[in-house]
Amino acid sequence: AQTVTQSQPEMSVQEAETVTLSCTYDTSESDYYLFWYKQPPSRQMILVIRQEAYKQQNATENRFSVNFQKAAKSFSLKISDSQLGDAAMYFCAYRSPIMDSNYQLIWGAGTKLIIKP
Amino acid sequence: NAGVTQTPKFQVLKTGQSMTLQCAQDMNHNSMYWYRQDPGMGLRLIYYSASEGTTDKGEVPNGYNVSRLNKREFSLRLESAAPSQTSVYFCASRVTGLRGTDTQYFGPGTRLTVL
Repeated sequence: AQTVTQSQPEMSVQEAETVTLSCTYDTSESDYYLFWYKQPPSRQMILVIRQEAYKQQNATENRFSVNFQKAAKSFSLKISDSQLGDAAMYFCAYRSPIMDSNYQLIWGAGTKLIIKP
Repeated sequence: NAGVTQTPKFQVLKTGQSMTLQCAQDMNHNSMYWYRQDPGMGLRLIYYSASEGTTDKGEVPNGYNVSRLNKREFSLRLESAAPSQTSVYFCASRVTGLRGTDTQYFGPGTRLTVL
């Protein structure tokens, strides 16, 4: 069974600096999807970035980018120029592309990101 | 376009009471999901519905029932609430289709406390 591990329960960063959140996963599949979701105090889950395992190029969305190391089964999130609004819980998630109707996401436990003004 | 909506936002129940959490999406998505989120843990899937008229159990279905009333609505029912069901509940929807269109869209959540 697939598992997702986020080893950093909490991280802090000075506003305008760069921070990297770690995520590792375990799977025997060669093709899959990986996601980072943000959960601010409002509790809503917001998709930050998505990576398809078959793509070698790291995904980027504005100030957010990933470092996808398939062989190492690592999927870290880098936030550049951190802003106060980035403060939230960040969750890493895995999904198998197996063509069934489930499409269940496997979630990590989350990392709380604190932004220091 | 409201996306995924959930009601209520907060609820307090006594042990043994029943209630239904409502979820609706206006994105014409086929698949819908119910998750629970507990402190220090990722989301855990309770039930899901791949299409109107079908439902299947997820990782933690015990104590819950669901109804996919139509394509828009997917409700979660607690028949006899227990303190172990105190949690934040999220509904999500997803369009079934081509590679890459697999993102789940979440509602704002319902915070449920069972005394």
